[in-house]
Amino acid sequence: GAVVSQHPSRVICKSGTSVKIECRSLDFQATTMFWYRQFPKQSLMLMATSNEGSKATYEQGVEKDKFLINHASLTLSTLTVTSAHPEDSSFYICSARASLVYNSPLHFGNGTRLTVT
Amino acid sequence: AQTVTQSQPEMSVQEAETVTLSCTYDTSESDYYLFWYKQPPSRQMILVIRQEAYKQQNATENRFSVNFQKAAKSFSLKISDSQLGDAAMYFCAYRSADAGGTSYGKLTFGQGTILTVHP
Repeated sequence: GAVVSQHPSRVICKSGTSVKIECRSLDFQATTMFWYRQFPKQSLMLMATSNEGSKATYEQGVEKDKFLINHASLTLSTLTVTSAHPEDSSFYICSARASLVYNSPLHFGNGTRLTVT
Repeated sequence: AQTVTQSQPEMSVQEAETVTLSCTYDTSESDYYLFWYKQPPSRQMILVIRQEAYKQQNATENRFSVNFQKAAKSFSLKISDSQLGDAAMYFCAYRSADAGGTSYGKLTFGQGTILTVHP
């Protein structure tokens, strides 16, 4: 089945530094990937839609300069949390759908737990 | 914009019993998809069941079935013969069927319901 690999699974960084999270579709091409954020025992909130070769579409209230998204190929999207602060500590999950399959389901990565100290 | 509401923050069930998780949604679209996802402590999102809005027949997957009431915009999940491994957070989700636009395929999630299974 389709696999989405997300790396790293856990990261601890100091306040003020930047962290990059990768989301790869291993066995399918993904024109579109989605980045979600989840606080403990809460829902997944869509942060942005990542489209290969174009600028990401950010949801209202999400700072595009803080959460940089790059989708440079059909199999890789990256989320960079710039100048991270403790309030950015959260669980980040990416998902992707196969480009060439109509109504293909979304496949999720295993998530990244970010802790900013 | 579409919204998804799960009004039960927590539910519990005895092993081997049946439990129903509620979900309502709001949309002006006529064609869409509804999903139930399971998120165990590992945080991995696992698709439990999927329903196409144009289908009147309720979807079933082994012990999992849904009660889809399109007019009422209700989409509940029934888990029969509950097992300890069913304990998790369950999310109801909505996806538009409109293939246009750059956000095609995005899911809108409900707040989630934490399900506890007692032995």
